[in-house]
Amino acid sequence: SQQGEEDPQALSIQEGENATMNCSYKTSINNLQWYRQNSGRGLVHLILIRSNEREKHSGRLRVTLDTSKKSSSLLITASRAADTASYFCLSSNTGKLIFGQGTTLQVKP
Amino acid sequence: NAGVTQTPKFQVLKTGQSMTLQCAQDMNHEYMSWYRQDPGMGLRLIHYSVGAGITDQGEVPNGYNVSRSTTEDFPLRLLSAAPSQTSVYFCASSLGLARDNHNEQFFGPGTRLTVL
Repeated sequence: SQQGEEDPQALSIQEGENATMNCSYKTSINNLQWYRQNSGRGLVHLILIRSNEREKHSGRLRVTLDTSKKSSSLLITASRAADTASYFCLSSNTGKLIFGQGTTLQVKP
Repeated sequence: NAGVTQTPKFQVLKTGQSMTLQCAQDMNHEYMSWYRQDPGMGLRLIHYSVGAGITDQGEVPNGYNVSRSTTEDFPLRLLSAAPSQTSVYFCASSLGLARDNHNEQFFGPGTRLTVL
């Protein structure tokens, strides 16, 4: 399979806690993106990190990228019940966009 | 802008039937793609297009055809539906790519397809 891998597959935390999910990919990239999918809906873009960046912030989101390990992590701080969703990383390989298998996050109120 | 639109939202087919899933975008995006999403499998790329008249295969192209006669439209055709094609199908578009530097993808709402 060309798909990237994400872990954990599922994560359950309490509101206010931080959530960390990891993504590994298989080829060299120019950038890596993270998306959120609410149940049964289309995906929404969260953040993009370029291959020459190591860390990027957007609101409560923090993304890191380690190109030597072909891995990225997404940290959501001070989680809210509304953060309950599935999260996917997306990398590109010569025109083909490859998604990770996703992490399902449940934030309990 | 309507963004990325997909029709129909739901469809039930019998094995062997053919149909076309429609996808359109009004953002003048060069890059368009089709994915299928199955439980526990994430999204898998079926076909993609880097511009009008240009298409290429993704990870799981068998049983599907595409064409890109205009910038706006990217229909996905199921030639002879099989139960294994039961899935949720998403179309996406983006501004384009420059030397494999992909931009933010905009997704349609999806088409839920059941093949009996």
